Amino acid sequence: AQKITQTQPGMFVQEKEAVTLDCTYDTSDPSYGLFWYKQPSSGEMIFLIYQGSYDQQNATEGRYSLNFQKARKSANLVISASQLGDSAMYFCAMRERIQGAQKLVFGQGTRLTINP
Amino acid sequence: EAGVTQFPSHSVIEKGQTVTLRCDPISGHDNLYWYRRVMGKEIKFLLHFVKESKQDESGMPNNRFLAERTGGTYSTLKVQPAELEDSGVYFCASSQLALNTGELFFGEGSRLTVL
Repeated sequence: AQKITQTQPGMFVQEKEAVTLDCTYDTSDPSYGLFWYKQPSSGEMIFLIYQGSYDQQNATEGRYSLNFQKARKSANLVISASQLGDSAMYFCAMRERIQGAQKLVFGQGTRLTINP
Repeated sequence: EAGVTQFPSHSVIEKGQTVTLRCDPISGHDNLYWYRRVMGKEIKFLLHFVKESKQDESGMPNNRFLAERTGGTYSTLKVQPAELEDSGVYFCASSQLALNTGELFFGEGSRLTVL
């Protein structure tokens, strides 16, 4: 079963507009973490933001914020005032813990294109 | 401070050949992870080292894949013999602590093409 679902394979947004990238997850572990990574065309994976399952407030990092809706099991990434340099693949991931070992489980990614 | 480095950045080999990918984690990071992304699909976990020990290798696809981390520093991932379905981008990541925060640093990946 898919544990991390990103339903938008591609998105096109006008520069300076805000954009929301969707992510839903599935877990029975009460303690989990949600991550967003950006992968530009150069290939590296850049950490953007993290939300812990027990965090009371939505995480924010500069222009990035995470709209965490625990009951809906969603962790959407919001980018405010988009820039051309935001064009990239974006991956949502969840920390999974099985028998004491931790690892990240990724979604399929969303390709974001910012138009001038 | 140097980030996670991977070598080679791109490797093209024929089916049946052997390829060895190398990852140098950030100095002092005990946790080292290998992930793989096959074209158009999600990034999948392969295995996790804590120092030189394999903490979790549940994601290794089959016994054609062998990962080592001698001395707890750099790691190698060998594919022998390579098959067409092994093509993809292999990412290495390292962290100092357990995954309780976002402090997981990725390399730029090694793209493997098997012809």
